[in-house]
Amino acid sequence: QQQVKQSPQSLIVQKGGISIINCAYENTAFDYFPWYQQFPGKGPALLIAIRPDVSEKKEGRFTISFNKSAKQFSLHIMDSQPGDSATYFCAASGFGNEKLTFGTGTRLTIIP
Amino acid sequence: KAGVTQTPRYLIKTRGQQVTLSCSPISGHRSVSWYQQTPGQGLQFLFEYFSETQRNKGNFPGRFSGRQFSNSRSEMNVSTLELGDSALYLCASSPSGETQYFGPGTRLLVL
Repeated sequence: QQQVKQSPQSLIVQKGGISIINCAYENTAFDYFPWYQQFPGKGPALLIAIRPDVSEKKEGRFTISFNKSAKQFSLHIMDSQPGDSATYFCAASGFGNEKLTFGTGTRLTIIP
Repeated sequence: KAGVTQTPRYLIKTRGQQVTLSCSPISGHRSVSWYQQTPGQGLQFLFEYFSETQRNKGNFPGRFSGRQFSNSRSEMNVSTLELGDSALYLCASSPSGETQYFGPGTRLLVL
């Protein structure tokens, strides 16, 4: 049972544009939603995370938008750069539970 | 602080063999989790240890096991390897909450 659905599977964005990746979850017990960035041959790196008590969190060019009623959250990358080309994973976990349930990943390519 | 380290980085085994992977968490982190990453199944949770005790376990067969030592270092073992066990095995450490920091992984190839 896939509990976190992620889309799109792949995304091509022009340099300077906005990259948007969406995730939806089913388990209402989830209360922590991180995004990870993974480059080939590397482990996932924590990018930004949000809890359901806020609707938006911004760190630099990265913003998470969270819609609790719709059980959806998304990652926005502003002013996308070629160095942002990587695979992005959304994830979710419940209170006091270290287990992360991951989305299927989005391969982002930023073209000049 | 040094990040999560995993050894070995690459491993080739044959079917039926067993393998042990090692993980050293970030200094001060007491929780260590293991994940399997494959192209087909994505990132899947294996188990999590905190203060030498397994707190959570994913849906993997009993061939997959782990342990944590008093210095928080962790090992995972896979016995009777199958071709489908070929994957990137990732270790993540956490101080105690949800924020998890991943290591570079061990890439296991089973022939």
